[in-house]
Amino acid sequence: EIVLTQSPGTLSLSPGERATLSCRASQSVSSSTLAWYQQKPGQAPRLLIYGASTRATGIPARFSGSGSGTEFTLTISSLQSEDFAVYYCQQFVNWPLTFGGGTKVEIK
Amino acid sequence: QVQLVESGGGVVQPGRSLRLSCAASGFTFSRHGMHWVRQAPGKGLEWVALITADGSNKDYADSVKGRFTISRDNSKNTLYLQMNGLRADDTAVYYCAREQMWASDIWGQGTVVTVSS
Repeated sequence: EIVLTQSPGTLSLSPGERATLSCRASQSVSSSTLAWYQQKPGQAPRLLIYGASTRATGIPARFSGSGSGTEFTLTISSLQSEDFAVYYCQQFVNWPLTFGGGTKVEIK
Repeated sequence: QVQLVESGGGVVQPGRSLRLSCAASGFTFSRHGMHWVRQAPGKGLEWVALITADGSNKDYADSVKGRFTISRDNSKNTLYLQMNGLRADDTAVYYCAREQMWASDIWGQGTVVTVSS
């Protein structure tokens, strides 16, 4: 089983600041099979990024994904009020599929 | 409108069974793999099970293997999760999700399962 470790657990930032979220895999993951999701309280997760770097339909350009192998990053270039949420990475390459533990982005 | 709607959640005693359903609409259901994902209260997302588009392959998280069964009826555009031998730690919101391009791009609103005596 591939373990995904997200860091930091919580990120305290102000609107307009840049957010950098990390997802580290216990073994190499194909870039095409790494996804990022956003979840707000009381809501289902929403797909942000697939294939490590491709934005899903309707996702603003301030969200970007990068990385390969065992290190992946989600960057929010300038935080908007609606971006404060929890973010999860997920790998699709190995069964069983796994999620990271999540990073909460909170208002400082 | 592309949509997934879960149903079948509720309160159930430990050891009992429950079957969840996920009704799909607005897309060709039979062309997509489907997943169940759960979230315990205050916790992160946990992948539970997947089934391929034609139903020929399935896989499960170790935590539910041997107790849960995923299935689908492509003629009814419906995904199922049969949950047997329920335990307190199965208490969660259960989401169904569509697979597209190695990601889950469409999610249902979730159905709540509470296992309690």
